[in-house]
Amino acid sequence: DIQMTQSPSTLSASVGDRVIVTCRASQNITTWLAWYQQKPGKAPKLLIYKVSTLETGVPSRFSGSGSGTEFTLTISSLQPEDFATYYCQQYKSFFRTFGQGTKLEIQ
Amino acid sequence: QVQLQESGPGLVHPSGTLSLTCAVSGDSISSSQWWTWVRQPPGKALEWIGEIYHSGTTNYNPSLKSRLTISIDKSKNQFSLRLSSVTAADTALYYCARSFGAFDYWGQGTLVTVSS
Repeated sequence: DIQMTQSPSTLSASVGDRVIVTCRASQNITTWLAWYQQKPGKAPKLLIYKVSTLETGVPSRFSGSGSGTEFTLTISSLQPEDFATYYCQQYKSFFRTFGQGTKLEIQ
Repeated sequence: QVQLQESGPGLVHPSGTLSLTCAVSGDSISSSQWWTWVRQPPGKALEWIGEIYHSGTTNYNPSLKSRLTISIDKSKNQFSLRLSSVTAADTALYYCARSFGAFDYWGQGTLVTVSS
């Protein structure tokens, strides 16, 4: 199976900050990577797929980059509604796998 | 608008079988998508369980494969999950989702507790 490792596990930041979350795959997944946002008590929400394609309605302050085994999710200017947990997910393999999550907290 | 809704018992006894159904509206379950189950133990990360295509083709998480069956009912536009021989480790919030590889529409989730 393809293991996905996110860093950091927890990130403290302030409104207006630029933050970066990293996701590493244990093998080459080319560009088959998605990012999700999950708020407490809610289902995950798809933010980005194919590394950098924003899902409809997702603000442009979210962006994704990378290829192969190294990927990043960037939030250019944190807004209060962005404090949540973020997950990466690979779909190169038919055995889909998620990262362990990055919790973005208010500093 | 695509909507998914999970349903099923919230409590299952150890060694029993967990059965959930996901009703789909706003899309045909025969469309060119996969239909997926994901679970999340309390306070933990998301875990992909498996998926089914309208042809009946399935892909399963290898760690659950021996206990897992995902099926599809085109007449009711829904798909189902059965997980046998459950233990406390199967206690989780279970989500169904539509998939093109990434999961774009999700149900609200249903909590299943395994306990005697």
